[in-house]
Amino acid sequence: EDKVVQSPLSLVVHEGDTVTLNCSYEVTNFRSLLWYKQEKKAPTFLFMLTSSGIEKKSGRLSSILDKKELFSILNITATQTGDSAIYLCAALTFNDYKLSFGAGTTVTVRA
Amino acid sequence: ETGVTQTPRHLVMGMTNKKSLKCEQHLGHNAMYWYKQSAKKPLELMFVYSLEERVENNSVPSRFSPECPNSSHLFLHLHTLQPEDSALYLCASSQDLGARYNEQFFGPGTRLTVL
Repeated sequence: EDKVVQSPLSLVVHEGDTVTLNCSYEVTNFRSLLWYKQEKKAPTFLFMLTSSGIEKKSGRLSSILDKKELFSILNITATQTGDSAIYLCAALTFNDYKLSFGAGTTVTVRA
Repeated sequence: ETGVTQTPRHLVMGMTNKKSLKCEQHLGHNAMYWYKQSAKKPLELMFVYSLEERVENNSVPSRFSPECPNSSHLFLHLHTLQPEDSALYLCASSQDLGARYNEQFFGPGTRLTVL
């Protein structure tokens, strides 16, 4: 059975801090790892990582995938209160369209 | 805005009621999905449709009945639900089912409470 585990489950930081979120996976025929940010309701797409060791960046967010150790990290630098959200990672397989989601990490950024 | 809309945003219903959730995508996508999100649990895939045909029914109880009249619209018909069905129901769409095009765009969800 495919398994995606995120850690920590939640964390509280202050504005300006850097956070690192972890996502490990055990998935048959793994193809890609996706990160979503969920504020209030709709998860919004952040990154899709397919190749190992190549960092993807979008503003203060960056993410990298390690296909040998089966994990990904999402970094947020210089955090702002608007970064408060649940961050979800999901694994996608080659021969299947199903995204297997982790339970999410709740990030709270205090002013 | 992700291009995926859901109505209603909130729904409270009794166990004997019948209601429907609606999802519409304005992205020209061919695949649509229903997910259930319960507190502190991973998103659970319920149904998948590709070009209006159901391709996945993930052991979902028959009290949930999906309908996809065209590639832009997806419904979830609800009847005789249980309190444990209370959750956030998310609709998503993707360009295609193929792994290369499986970036899924989510709607805002319907917060369902079953009394």
